[in-house]
Amino acid sequence: KAGVTQTPRYLIKTRGQQVTLSCSPISGHRSVSWYQQTPGQGLQFLFEYFSETQRNKGNFPGRFSGRQFSNSRSEMNVSTLELGDSALYLCASSLGQPIDEQYFGPGTRLTVT
Amino acid sequence: GESVGLHLPTLSVQEGDNSIINCAYSNSASDYFIWYKQESGKGPQFIIDIRSNMDKRQGQRVTVLLNKTVKHLSLQIAATQPGDSAVYFCAESRTGGTSYGKLTFGQGTILTVHP
Repeated sequence: KAGVTQTPRYLIKTRGQQVTLSCSPISGHRSVSWYQQTPGQGLQFLFEYFSETQRNKGNFPGRFSGRQFSNSRSEMNVSTLELGDSALYLCASSLGQPIDEQYFGPGTRLTVT
Repeated sequence: GESVGLHLPTLSVQEGDNSIINCAYSNSASDYFIWYKQESGKGPQFIIDIRSNMDKRQGQRVTVLLNKTVKHLSLQIAATQPGDSAVYFCAESRTGGTSYGKLTFGQGTILTVHP
């Protein structure tokens, strides 16, 4: 069974631009969660989608948004990029049950200059 | 202002030793706990999980201990191998309410295994 895939793996953007990251979950998984990983803050939860609906959201500004498609693939968008948005963005997929293993993708390394 | 990076705890062991990695969690309402391993350039990899109605769970070469009284979690790795070198994270979750899909991660511990 294929794992979670994320594209692109690396991205360099300029302050003020916007970016869209993509995540394809494991086949059969309907939940996708997104996390930001930085040396300063560690791993922080952004949001979770299940069956095209956002069920949960972390404490990030509105510049961070996401969506999920009917095939469970998810995208996250960051608008008006800031230097502090440089991070590894990870997505994780699961079946979406209350107690459930989350399987992580390799991440997208975003650098904002 | 300038952000301060996390100073991750480190654990250095010899190949073949047993390793114990500790984690203090913050939310007394958390009822599901997971250990992840993250190697350089990769996403976190699931190791083992435990529910709050248990205090010990064993896997292959790994054991997780949960002490809810002091909100402490530990991961024991038996016969540590060089391939175990990575950053280890504990994560907590609350299965009720509106905590869908949200894991709260600890800061991580760097494990280095010397041959």
